[in-house]
Amino acid sequence: SQQGEEDPQALSIQEGENATMNCSYKTSINNLQWYRQNSGRGLVHLILIRSNEREKHSGRLRVTLDTSKKSSSLLITASRAADTASYFCATELNRDDKIIFGKGTRLHILP
Amino acid sequence: DTEVTQTPKHLVMGMTNKKSLKCEQHMGHRAMYWYKQKAKKPPELMFVYSYEKLSINESVPSRFSPECPNSSLLNLHLHALQPEDSALYLCASSQDLVQYAGNTIYFGEGSWLTVV
Repeated sequence: SQQGEEDPQALSIQEGENATMNCSYKTSINNLQWYRQNSGRGLVHLILIRSNEREKHSGRLRVTLDTSKKSSSLLITASRAADTASYFCATELNRDDKIIFGKGTRLHILP
Repeated sequence: DTEVTQTPKHLVMGMTNKKSLKCEQHMGHRAMYWYKQKAKKPPELMFVYSYEKLSINESVPSRFSPECPNSSLLNLHLHALQPEDSALYLCASSQDLVQYAGNTIYFGEGSWLTVV
């Protein structure tokens, strides 16, 4: 089953620009997490935002959550070549033990 | 750096072989997971273990058999696989089950499986 849907599916930007990725989901959640995956590697946890939070920052990352619209956004400021990766949102459903991943956004930072 | 270790990193097996994927974590986590990921797709949950007991089986075919020998180890036994089972298999762990809000899941680097 799939809960999250990222938008866009692929994004190419120049180094130094900001990158914004969006995630929409279908059902009520406890929290929403963003993960990064470099090609062929494991997933790295970036940030978690709880359902009662609206915005959260971590370094160059800013995550927002709008539970009324069932959507979240991940902003990466001042992008670097090392940010090239796939980014997934993952939702934890209420009263469930599952974390379900969205389709992901493939981000490519151009030199 | 991940603190979830998976072995082997690469595995090629025939359809009649029996092999195992291994996963180890020393973070004291009580929940462990197996995910399967095909190219350019998101990870798909296969199994969840909590306190060494199987908590969730996402209708995975019986040719995949999980085992949790102790709280630090998680195995995935493979038998009579099909070529379409070729994928990246990711192990993960978390402090507790995710229903206890705010549990981050830590992933290993994965085991690349090719079935020939």
